[in-house]
Amino acid sequence: DAGVIQSPRHEVTEMGQEVTLRCKLISGHNSLFWYRQTMMRGLELLIYFNNNVPIDDSGMPEDRFSAKMPNASFSTLKIQPSEPRDSAVYFCASSLEGPGANVLTFGAGSRLTVL
Amino acid sequence: AQSVTQLDSHVSVSEGTPVLLRCNYSSSYSPSLFWYVQHPNKGLQLLLKYTSAATLVKGINGFEAEFKKSETSFHLTKPSAHMSDAAEYFCVVSDSGGSYIPTFGRGTSLIVHP
Repeated sequence: DAGVIQSPRHEVTEMGQEVTLRCKLISGHNSLFWYRQTMMRGLELLIYFNNNVPIDDSGMPEDRFSAKMPNASFSTLKIQPSEPRDSAVYFCASSLEGPGANVLTFGAGSRLTVL
Repeated sequence: AQSVTQLDSHVSVSEGTPVLLRCNYSSSYSPSLFWYVQHPNKGLQLLLKYTSAATLVKGINGFEAEFKKSETSFHLTKPSAHMSDAAEYFCVVSDSGGSYIPTFGRGTSLIVHP
């Protein structure tokens, strides 16, 4: 398996533009997490899906952020309109949820810069 | 409810000396505990995990951690630091009886001097 695949790896955009980040889960995994990492706030959980259903989106900063799982292997995180304070590294991670330790496998991240 | 506290934001050691990264947790259920490592400009990678089996857990790259229920601790150790160990380390707790959402510590930056 190629692991969790994120795209784009780097994105530079201007304030007000729409940004779409993409994530392909590991085959067979049923849980998906989107995280944001900044120097100021560290690693923050944005949203958690289980079996394609959003279970906890309390970490989504505001209505400008939205996330979807159109199928079991793919997710998008959209920011519209983007703002400079959204600049961060965005990670997605997947796991197979069930009894026992649920190990997260992280993607390499998408580094977003909003000018 | 669950929480995790990494007691040091930075730890600085010399190459060849022991490493100790401290982590305390709180959990309402029997916890699963993890350590992840993040090298610069990379994603997070699992170092080791504890799942109520042996209390001393061995991970990759010579790291190990001991689960101490009485002290609610899960400290990460390595006998001899290598330059390549310089990275950010995250302690993570996940409740077995509650939600599967893991809680991450703030991270400890390990600096290794030659």
